[in-house]
Amino acid sequence: KQEVTQIPAALSVPEGENLVLNCSFTDSAIYNLQWFRQDPGKGLTSLLLIQSSQREQTSGRLNASLDKSSGRSTLYIAASQPGDSATYLCAVDDNMDTGRRALTFGSGTRLQVQP
Amino acid sequence: DAMVIQNPRYQVTQFGKPVTLSCSQTLNHNVMYWYQQKSSQAPKLLFHYYDKDFNNEADTPDNFQSRRPNTSFCFLDIRSPGLGDAAMYLCATSRGATSLDEQFFGPGTRLTVL
Repeated sequence: KQEVTQIPAALSVPEGENLVLNCSFTDSAIYNLQWFRQDPGKGLTSLLLIQSSQREQTSGRLNASLDKSSGRSTLYIAASQPGDSATYLCAVDDNMDTGRRALTFGSGTRLQVQP
Repeated sequence: DAMVIQNPRYQVTQFGKPVTLSCSQTLNHNVMYWYQQKSSQAPKLLFHYYDKDFNNEADTPDNFQSRRPNTSFCFLDIRSPGLGDAAMYLCATSRGATSLDEQFFGPGTRLTVL
């Protein structure tokens, strides 16, 4: 059974710092990996999706990398801002059956960017 | 804007009293999902529909049912809510079931069971 772990569970940084969030998964046979943002009491906003054949994806100040063989992904946030404060979740799509999809989520990293 | 809408945003029910949560989408996506997220935990998939085909996760309790009367709407029915069912319920959609298809989430419904 796939397990997804995110380290650290919580992180507090001063504004302007570059930071890295880590995600690891136990079964490397994945279709893709998604990073999401969740604000308190809200739903999930998709940030980046990396296909299993890709090594990285970039969107603005965010860069996500994927090393499928080692079961790791990182989310790099450049020049952090207080508005980046949220919980960041990674999820892997590892179900190989057409028509049946299952995302397995990590528990998230709660990020606080101090002004 | 195309989006995933969940109603209500907050739902309070009594122990054992049936409750229905609603999700609608304007994305015309084929797949709709229901996730349960308890406090400080990862979202957990309960079930999903691919068009009209219902797919239940093996460990989803029988207390949870779902209906999808048309492409746009999907409902989560909790037949006899227990205290342990208090959680955020997230609805998501995807265009298809390929690895290219991102899941788009609604804002969630927070369920309180008294």
